[in-house]
Amino acid sequence: EPEVTQTPSHQVTQMGQEVILRCVPISNHLYFYWYRQILGQKVEFLVSFYNNEISEKSEIFDDQFSVERPDGSNFTLKIRSTKLEDSAMYFCASRDGPYNEQFFGPGTRLTVL
Amino acid sequence: AQTVTQSQPEMSVQEAETVTLSCTYDTSESDYYLFWYKQPPSRQMILVIRQEAYKQQNATENRFSVNFQKAAKSFSLKISDSQLGDAAMYFCAYRSMKSQGGSEKLVFGKGTKLTVNP
Repeated sequence: EPEVTQTPSHQVTQMGQEVILRCVPISNHLYFYWYRQILGQKVEFLVSFYNNEISEKSEIFDDQFSVERPDGSNFTLKIRSTKLEDSAMYFCASRDGPYNEQFFGPGTRLTVL
Repeated sequence: AQTVTQSQPEMSVQEAETVTLSCTYDTSESDYYLFWYKQPPSRQMILVIRQEAYKQQNATENRFSVNFQKAAKSFSLKISDSQLGDAAMYFCAYRSMKSQGGSEKLVFGKGTKLTVNP
């Protein structure tokens, strides 16, 4: 069964460093998402991406964040200068049509020291 | 903006018994989707069940069923014959059915931690 994959599963970085989180959505999907879950809290929407552009972003998604679909298969989230409060689980999700469910990847745990 | 509220931070159930998890939401829209996601200790988000607001019939997936009360904006999840593998965080989520140019993001509640006792 097709699935969304994410790498790495766990990333440890120093405050101020740049990180790139990678996702490979399901191959025929067109809509892509990043969500964040700080430990013990609810899952929060960061950004959605469709037709090679951001369709919506939350107020969390400030200038330190960017997304890209560089090669038609990967979907990346970049954090330019990480802060301690960026420590969280980051989930990628994708779906194929506007009325269909989102499929989630297993998440990347980001730890900022 | 839509909000989702789960008022039970934790619940517990005996194996083979039935448990109901509560969820309420707030929206001014008439057409939307509601979901229950399960998040086991591995933290993978797994879709349990989905309900379209225009459908009066409550969704059912094997041991999982919902009680959808549109007027009350309530969407509870019933788990019958609970199994040890049902132990997880359960998140209720809302999604607009209105096309938003490729967004249609999910809005989650804070979750309910379900413990299943043998």
